[in-house]
Amino acid sequence: QLQLQESGPGLVKPSETLSLTCTVSGGSISSNPYHWGWIRQPPGKGLQWIGNIYYSGTTYYNPSLRSRVTISLETSKKQFYLNLTSVTAADTAVYYCAKILRGLIPDHWGRGTLVTVSS
Amino acid sequence: DIQMTQSPSSLSASVGDRVTITCQASQDISIYLNWYQQKPGKAPKLLIYDASNLQTGVPSRFSGSGSGTDFTFSISSLQPEDIATYYCQQYDNLPLRLTFGGGTKVEIK
Repeated sequence: QLQLQESGPGLVKPSETLSLTCTVSGGSISSNPYHWGWIRQPPGKGLQWIGNIYYSGTTYYNPSLRSRVTISLETSKKQFYLNLTSVTAADTAVYYCAKILRGLIPDHWGRGTLVTVSS
Repeated sequence: DIQMTQSPSSLSASVGDRVTITCQASQDISIYLNWYQQKPGKAPKLLIYDASNLQTGVPSRFSGSGSGTDFTFSISSLQPEDIATYYCQQYDNLPLRLTFGGGTKVEIK
């Protein structure tokens, strides 16, 4: 059964870079027509799409975050990554990685990891 | 940008009641709408995709309908395990973009 697991630091200082890894198990990371993406949820608030990556390496980003976000993929490791630069307290959230059917329908999610931005 | 207005933001109903949540798009989005259930401390779970298609393994008491700008999500007979927050999610293909509604918290009366 497909599983996704987020990993990375739970605490990041303001102005630094948030870096997370999502490890995929129980399935291929090169499956067509799936993308792999990141979605976040500030404490007590709603969901915000961050961006997707297709196994070819093509990326799609939320315009509101595009200047600070990079999503990359390492198929041999079955991992994909999120880098978010110049973080502030507003970036404090639970970050989820997800498998996204057709790049449009997140149909399988990781458990999420809380990242707090604080000095 | 397409805006999604979900209502109500919360509701309280009795076990066995029919529950209805609506999501309105600021412009025509065809059937490009999904519904998710999120229980406290858990990741969202896809229930309905493309407005009305039930995801595999999801109980049939959940349903979705609508197209264009107005969409409805229903639970035909509310069960205690349905206590959760429900989100609609719109998607665009050109350019690719995913947008979530504000959520509806469902509680038992």
